Amino acid sequence: GQQLNQSPQSMFIQEGEDVSMNCTSSSIFNTWLWYKQDPGEGPVLLIALYKAGELTSNGRLTAQFGITRKDSFLNISASIPSDVGIYFCAGPNTGNQFYFGTGTSLTVIP
Amino acid sequence: DAGVIQSPRHEVTEMGQEVTLRCKPISGHDYLFWYRQTMMRGLELLIYFNNNVPIDDSGMPEDRFSAKMPNASFSTLKIQPSEPRDSAVYFCASRQNTEAFFGQGTRLTVV
Repeated sequence: GQQLNQSPQSMFIQEGEDVSMNCTSSSIFNTWLWYKQDPGEGPVLLIALYKAGELTSNGRLTAQFGITRKDSFLNISASIPSDVGIYFCAGPNTGNQFYFGTGTSLTVIP
Repeated sequence: DAGVIQSPRHEVTEMGQEVTLRCKPISGHDYLFWYRQTMMRGLELLIYFNNNVPIDDSGMPEDRFSAKMPNASFSTLKIQPSEPRDSAVYFCASRQNTEAFFGQGTRLTVV
């Protein structure tokens, strides 16, 4: 089935550093969603993107919907320890199938 | 709204026993998804419903797995008989339009 590939698979960064991760698909998506999962919890929606080229911010988080509609990017500025978790991209493609990315595990070192 | 509610949060059962996981979606959401998450495979879509009708169950691993949605406010995922390799966290999510919201998951351990 459809696979969303995220990179990097894991990141270890110092507190205060900026973080960038991306997600690519082999098919076109109408919407891109970014989720964060804390240990022992379900994924929580962070940002939703609805138009190609759209750039949306939520606090220190900024996400972009790629022009080709086959990729998306998530940036976290000035990371803090509570940013630790697994970040997933997700979305429904033109066929309305809903898929999740492979996840990027983020570790922030104080 | 209380969000997506799953029960139980934790389940420990012996191999061969029947296990039933429950989900109450967000009111008004017309899509419901069941996912399984493991370290090895990440988040896997098992099945999803639209307006209580199963649309795609191609992710259901075996005939031991079954899911039902008798009405818009309730769904179950049943494993019978359970096996140790079924141990995982099972998530339910519901969606209206394009944004999906997850429950807190059921951690299943089959011993």
